[in-house]
Amino acid sequence: EIVMTQSPATLSVSPGERATLSCRASQSVSSNLAWYQQKPGQAPRLLIYGASTRATGIPARFSGSGSGTEFTLTISSLQSEDFAVYYCQQYNNWPPIFTFGPGTKVDIK
Amino acid sequence: QITLKESGPTLVKPTQTLTLTCTFSGFSLSTSGVGVGWIRQPPGKALEWLALIYWNDDKRYSPSLKSRLTITKDTSKNQVVLTMTNMDPVDTATYYCAMVNYGYLLDYWGQGTLVTVSS
Repeated sequence: EIVMTQSPATLSVSPGERATLSCRASQSVSSNLAWYQQKPGQAPRLLIYGASTRATGIPARFSGSGSGTEFTLTISSLQSEDFAVYYCQQYNNWPPIFTFGPGTKVDIK
Repeated sequence: QITLKESGPTLVKPTQTLTLTCTFSGFSLSTSGVGVGWIRQPPGKALEWLALIYWNDDKRYSPSLKSRLTITKDTSKNQVVLTMTNMDPVDTATYYCAMVNYGYLLDYWGQGTLVTVSS
């Protein structure tokens, strides 16, 4: 079973600054990696899939990179609406077995 | 417009079986590549994927919960049902259903339903 880890657990960032979130898989998942954003009291929202492709309607300040076991989500200039919890999720193999990471909370510094 | 909505009991007793229904609109579960998945989230904790069912009736389950889960679909009613047996207080969580697009993208989510397990 593939285990996902994320770091840091909490990231304190000032509005307008850059945020870099990391995700690691216990074995290679190729580029089969997605990122989700979840705000309090809301369902998660798909941000990135295929490690680097933005989902429909996602602003360009969100970018994803990486392959294999190491992945990064970058938010280039944090807006007030970006303070949330971010989860990575792998969907390797077919049909996939999904695994989520523990999440990174981005809060206001 | 794609929407999904979870329904079911808000409170179940330990050892009981939980039955949740996801009713959706805006897509068809007979379309190739499409599926519906279930994900849960205990209060203050991370997301945990539970199960999914595809247009062709292929089913996948979380390895750690496989023995307790059953997922079925009723294409004519646009519904997917998840049953989880032998409920325990640790199963207290918000349960979400989501559309699976292109075989693997959790593209659209329901609002979630909180299920509490308590005697």
